[in-house]
Formats: sequence, structure tokens, C-alpha cells
Amino acid sequence: GDSVTQMEGPVTLSEEAFLTINCTYTATGYPSLFWYVQYPGEGLQLLLKATKADDKGSNKGFEATYRKETTSFHLEKGSVQVSDSAVYFCALSDQQSNYQLIWGAGTKLIIKP
Amino acid sequence: EAGVAQSPRYKIIEKRQSVAFWCNPISGHATLYWYQQILGQGPKLLIQFQNNGVVDDSQLPKDRFSAERLKGVDSTLKIQPAKLEDSAVYLCASSLFWGREDIQYFGAGTRLSVL
Repeated sequence: GDSVTQMEGPVTLSEEAFLTINCTYTATGYPSLFWYVQYPGEGLQLLLKATKADDKGSNKGFEATYRKETTSFHLEKGSVQVSDSAVYFCALSDQQSNYQLIWGAGTKLIIKP
Repeated sequence: EAGVAQSPRYKIIEKRQSVAFWCNPISGHATLYWYQQILGQGPKLLIQFQNNGVVDDSQLPKDRFSAERLKGVDSTLKIQPAKLEDSAVYLCASSLFWGREDIQYFGAGTRLSVL
């Protein structure tokens, strides 16, 4: 069945560092891919999405490119801020999952000033 | 546009007690989801409604959990009786429709502690 694998956290970076959080997926079809973010004490917010191969999702300085050849959707940001500290979840949905979200385990990001 | 509303934000109960959570989705959203999120894990889908019908409740522990969405708008999730392992954040999400371009919008969640 479908699955999503994320790099384990926590990831600790200094402010203004470059961020990469790896996400790979297994799916038989052509899934839509998502990054959600969960700030402390809050619910999940959609950060960005991509629905077909080579699409790039972007929002708030974050980017992720749908790479079908490597089945990946890595999250990147050029210069992180303390306010980016949160838990980031990669997810997919497709026909096999009945368009329900299949979630990664989440990656906790800690940004130090 | 108002987001997904959930209440209460926090609830502390003793095991074997009952508890209920309420969710009001974004206006016009046909699909409503309840998730359980245990600390350090991704959300686990408990039940999915399409309007007022159940699409999937395969992971809902039906011996103790129940949910309803009367009139296809707001929804209530109940646990009776609660167990220690039910301690988690219960998230409600809604989406405009159900399909490939679907985007789920989440409420802030209810944090349940069972003592």
C-alpha cells in the first residue's frame, strides 16, 4: 500500500541556515503530495502542495518539487527563522488511498537564534 | 473566512468517564474528518463523513468511540468509557469535496488527558 517516509528529527539549525527535510513516498498511482506544518499547540496547516510530476509547490519561502523519478518531495528553505520551529509532516493522497491522506511520522524542526 | 472550529481545547478526565468533542467545519465543506494524534506521531484517521453519511470508519474503535454528523454540518465525537491510551489530540478537518484536488483544513484540536 501507499506510504510516506520522512527523515527523523529533531533537526536543529541556526537561524539563517539552509533547510532540507527529506520525504520519499511509495504509491502505485500518481499521488498528490503535501507538506503540512504544526506549530506548538496548534492544528495542522497546509504549507504547500504539488499534484503532478515536476510541479513545484511554494509558500512562505519554503519549496518542494514533485520528483517522480526518485519518488521524493523534499522540503527546502534558503534561510530559516526561529519562527519556523515546528513539526513538518509530508503526506500523499491518491486513488488507492481513496483520496485520504497518508502521513509521514513528522519531523520536528528547532531553530536556534 | 472562518476556519474549522473545535471545542473544548483541553479536557482532563479519569478513565472510564465519558467525553465529547465538537467540530464545526468551514461553511460549505462537504467532507469532515476526525483524527487522533498521539504525541510524536502523525494523525490517524478515525472517521470520514461525506455530508451526513459515513465514508470510512474502519479505524474507529466502535466499542467505545462514536461520531455523528447530523444535518451534514457540525459533528460530535464521543468516547465512552475512556481508557488511558485515549490520551491524545483529537483533530477535526474539513474539505470542500473529496478527490484528487482535495485540501483538508484543520482545527486547532482538542487535547485529551485521561488519568
